Amino acid sequence: GQSLEQPSEVTAVEGAIVQINCTYQTSGFYGLSWYQQHDGGAPTFLSYNALDGLEETGRFSSFLSRSDSYGYLLLQELQMKDSASYFCAVRYNFNKFYFGSGTKLNVKP
Amino acid sequence: DTGVSQDPRHKITKRGQNVTFRCDPISEHNRLYWYRQTLGQGPEFLTYFQNEAQLEKSRLLSDRFSAERPKGSFSTLEIQRTEQGDSAMYLCASSLAGGEETQYFGPGTRLLVL
Repeated sequence: GQSLEQPSEVTAVEGAIVQINCTYQTSGFYGLSWYQQHDGGAPTFLSYNALDGLEETGRFSSFLSRSDSYGYLLLQELQMKDSASYFCAVRYNFNKFYFGSGTKLNVKP
Repeated sequence: DTGVSQDPRHKITKRGQNVTFRCDPISEHNRLYWYRQTLGQGPEFLTYFQNEAQLEKSRLLSDRFSAERPKGSFSTLEIQRTEQGDSAMYLCASSLAGGEETQYFGPGTRLLVL
């Protein structure tokens, strides 16, 4: 089966940097995705890592270490609008995705 | 590009009734996924299609659930004899073959079974 662990809640102040960790166990691993979901909204794709290393997209970066079954999402220059839930999801067996329970990020002024 | 749409957005039904939801993916996307999400949890995979073929179905899905994607365009998800435990948000997502890592989610259908 698949399992994912990520913190349930993180709080940070506006302008700060926050890192959301994700550890996983799965067979047939292809990659790790990150999604953002605001309350009442649909999940929105943020990033995907198939290979080890850091991927940067604007204020957001994502990292993967396949040997450690570990990844993280780094959010820089936090803004109030970044308050949302963030899900890591493993892509396995090529076409299937298993989502974690999500990390609720609270950004305070 | 109008994005993924779902209908209805909300559905209230009585236990034992059948319900059907519709998903219209982004037009050029040939992969379509159905997920279920409950409060405080991430989306849970239900099934997915490549064009009109249903390629995989979650083992967690009971026989009361069925999905179709005629002609490889829109998809429907039917739940028969609904139970209170079926109350959840049902999400549809689509992606391009070769770009499966990027799934575009619809707004979801929120189901409440009384």
